[in-house]
Amino acid sequence: GDSVTQMEGPVTLSEEAFLTINCTYTATGYPSLFWYVQYPGEGLQLLLKATKADDKGSNKGFEATYRKETTSFHLEKGSVQVSDSAVYFCALSVGNRDDKIIFGKGTRLHILP
Amino acid sequence: DGGITQSPKYLFRKEGQNVTLSCEQNLNHDAMYWYRQDPGQGLRLIYYSQIVNDFQKGDIAEGYSVSREKKESFPLTVTSAQKNPTAFYLCASSPRRDANEQFFGPGTRLTVL
Repeated sequence: GDSVTQMEGPVTLSEEAFLTINCTYTATGYPSLFWYVQYPGEGLQLLLKATKADDKGSNKGFEATYRKETTSFHLEKGSVQVSDSAVYFCALSVGNRDDKIIFGKGTRLHILP
Repeated sequence: DGGITQSPKYLFRKEGQNVTLSCEQNLNHDAMYWYRQDPGQGLRLIYYSQIVNDFQKGDIAEGYSVSREKKESFPLTVTSAQKNPTAFYLCASSPRRDANEQFFGPGTRLTVL
């Protein structure tokens, strides 16, 4: 079945460091791919998305490129801030099947000042 | 302001009692979803509804019930049959049946004493 695998956390970085959170997926169709972010005590917010191969999603300095050949959608940011500390979820949707989004288990990110 | 509201933010109940969590959206979205979030396990789908008066079981529906009498409302009842109900519950909605993107509420943290 469809699934998402993302790197386990927690990931701890110093402020202004480069961030990569790996995400790979398995899907039998042509999924849309998402990164959601969850700040402490809150619900999830969509961070960025890509709907077809080679698309790049970007928002708030974060980027991810839909790589069909490697079935990956890694999240990157060039210079992280303390305010980026949160849990990040990679997710996919094969929208024309069962109307569901499949989430990864989440990666907790800690940024040290 | 358009959005999804969940109430209450914190809820305490005694073991053996049923409890209903509220979810309301004014985004005019067709689809609504309930997830359960436990530490280290990501999000697990409990129930979802694509249209009024219709809903489907998700991956962990046992011990839960829902109704969808109005488009804007999708309450979740945690019954006494749910063996481990203490968790963070998230409601989401989606503008189209293909669930290309979901919008989340702030969540309700349920603690059963």
